Amino acid sequence: DIQMTQSPSSLSASVGDRVTITCRASQSISSFLNWYQQRPGKAPELLIYATSSLQSGVPSRFSGSGSGTDFTLTISSLQPEDFATYYCQQSFSMPLTFGGGTNVEIK
Amino acid sequence: QVQLQQWGAGLLKPSETLSLTCAVNGGSFSLYHWNWIRQPPGKGLEWIGEIDHSGSTNYAPSLKSRVTISVDTSKKQFSLKLSSVTAADTAVYYCARTHHNWIDPWGQGSQVTVSS
Repeated sequence: DIQMTQSPSSLSASVGDRVTITCRASQSISSFLNWYQQRPGKAPELLIYATSSLQSGVPSRFSGSGSGTDFTLTISSLQPEDFATYYCQQSFSMPLTFGGGTNVEIK
Repeated sequence: QVQLQQWGAGLLKPSETLSLTCAVNGGSFSLYHWNWIRQPPGKGLEWIGEIDHSGSTNYAPSLKSRVTISVDTSKKQFSLKLSSVTAADTAVYYCARTHHNWIDPWGQGSQVTVSS
């Protein structure tokens, strides 16, 4: 199985801050990396697919980059509705695997 | 706009079989793969398995011996059965669609609690 490691596991930030979350795969996954946002009590929602493509309706302050084993999710200017947990997920090979999540909290 | 509606028993005793069903409303059923994913309380996401319209499946190795995912294309539904449940299977269970190589959309989630 491909292991996905996210860091940090949690962070505190203020509205307007630039936030970066990293995701590392245990082996190369090319660009088969997706990001999801999960608000408390809700189902996850697709944020970014194929490393850097923004899902329809997702604000442009979200961006993704990387390839191979190292990937990044960036929120350029954190908004109140962005406080949530973020998960990366690889779709390079079965079984599909997720990172452990990054909880973005209000400072 | 595809929507996933899921249902099933929410409270089980140890050793019983978990059973959930997910209905696909809108969109094509045969073009995609259909997944089950779970989330234990306070923890991250765990992929359980997937099925396509022909019934071809892939399962997580850690659960493979206890999991069965089946499909009813006439009803545009797919189902999850997990046998011999224990407290460790307590989680919110989600159904979801694989669209190309990403998971979207997700069902609303079903809380399943295993307790004696």
